[in-house]
Order: sequence, then C-alpha cells, then structure tokens
Amino acid sequence: GQNIDQPTEMTATEGAIVQINCTYQTSGFNGLFWYQQHAGEAPTFLSYNVLDGLEEKGRFSSFLSRSKGYSYLLLKELQMKDSASYLCAVSGAGSYQLTFGKGTKLSVIP
Amino acid sequence: DVKVTQSSRYLVKRTGEKVFLECVQDMDHENMFWYRQDPGLGLRLIYFSYDVKMKEKGDIPEGYSVSREKKERFSLILESASTNQTSMYLCASSLGGSDSPLHFGNGTRLTVT
Repeated sequence: GQNIDQPTEMTATEGAIVQINCTYQTSGFNGLFWYQQHAGEAPTFLSYNVLDGLEEKGRFSSFLSRSKGYSYLLLKELQMKDSASYLCAVSGAGSYQLTFGKGTKLSVIP
Repeated sequence: DVKVTQSSRYLVKRTGEKVFLECVQDMDHENMFWYRQDPGLGLRLIYFSYDVKMKEKGDIPEGYSVSREKKERFSLILESASTNQTSMYLCASSLGGSDSPLHFGNGTRLTVT
C-alpha cells in the first residue's frame, strides 16, 4: 500500500520562501508528482521527480530523496496568487495509478 | 491545448437514482481516471482505464462502475446513489506510462439528497 504525509496547512508572507514537505512509504515507487490546486479549480501539474536531487522550474523547485522517502516543494518570491493547495502524489512501480496525499493548503499573506 | 471536459459542473440527485458522470478528452490519451475529492481525505482513485473497454479498480470502487467504449470518453456510473457519494468528482487523463502527468477536468460537484 501507499502512505503519504504532508502538512495540512501553512502560512507564509508575500515575497518569502516556503518549503512544503512530503514523506511517503510505498510498496513500490516510480516517481513523485506535485500539483497545485486553487480553490474551486482542478489540480494542475507542477513537477515530476524520478531521480534524487533538485529540479528547478522558475520560482518553483522540487526535491526528491528516494532512500529517505522524502520530497519537498520550494516556492520562492511568494506571490498572493500562490495561495492554493499543493498535492504530493506518488506513482507506483509499473503502475498507472497515482496515490495522492491529502494536500497542504498554503495561505500567502501580505 | 490539452482539454478534459466533464459534462456537468453541479448535479443534484436523489437517493437511489442512477447517475451518469461523463468525461471527454481531446488529447488522444491512453489512460483515463475517476477520482473523488473530499475535505480531509484528499483525492481518492475510484476507477481507471488504460485502454478502450479496459478498466481497473482503484482504491474505492464500491458503489461505482465505469464504461469506456471510445478512447476519448470515460463514464462513471453510480448504480444507486447514496448520500455518502456526495462529493467532488474529478476526471483525468494521461498520455501513457507512469511518468505522464494527469490532466484534470474542472470537476462535477454531486449532491445526493
């Protein structure tokens, strides 16, 4: 089975940096996705990590450590529009299924 | 641009009714998925399909069935709706392979009274 943990809520200040952590225990692992979901909208793809290390994409970066079952999403130069839920999702080895964490609701305050 | 369309944004149905939720994608994607999303529980997979006429159970298939007669269309069926099926239902598709990101529709908020 899959177990994915991420904080329920976080608050950060506009212009700051925030790190959203995700830990997982899985029976098989292929890669890890991050999605962003604004209130009342569909989730949208942010990043995918399959190898250990940091992947940078503009203001957003995602890190993976396979040996530790750990990932984080780093958001720099926070903007008000970054207020959203951030979903961590794991794909199992040889599987099309994604298992999602419960999501972290990020509030960016002025 | 990638598009996944769900037929209804809001639906209200009565207990015991048969409910059809329709989803269409225009990207020629192999895989299609149905999730439900509930506060505090996150996204949970109901069923998915990796090819026409093929279906696999997800984590919570009880009370649901699916149909995929054409590649672009994936239907979720509630045979006899119950109040605990009140939820946000999200359809998604992906190109293929476990590294392909999901593209989601805008969701159907179903209320069963």
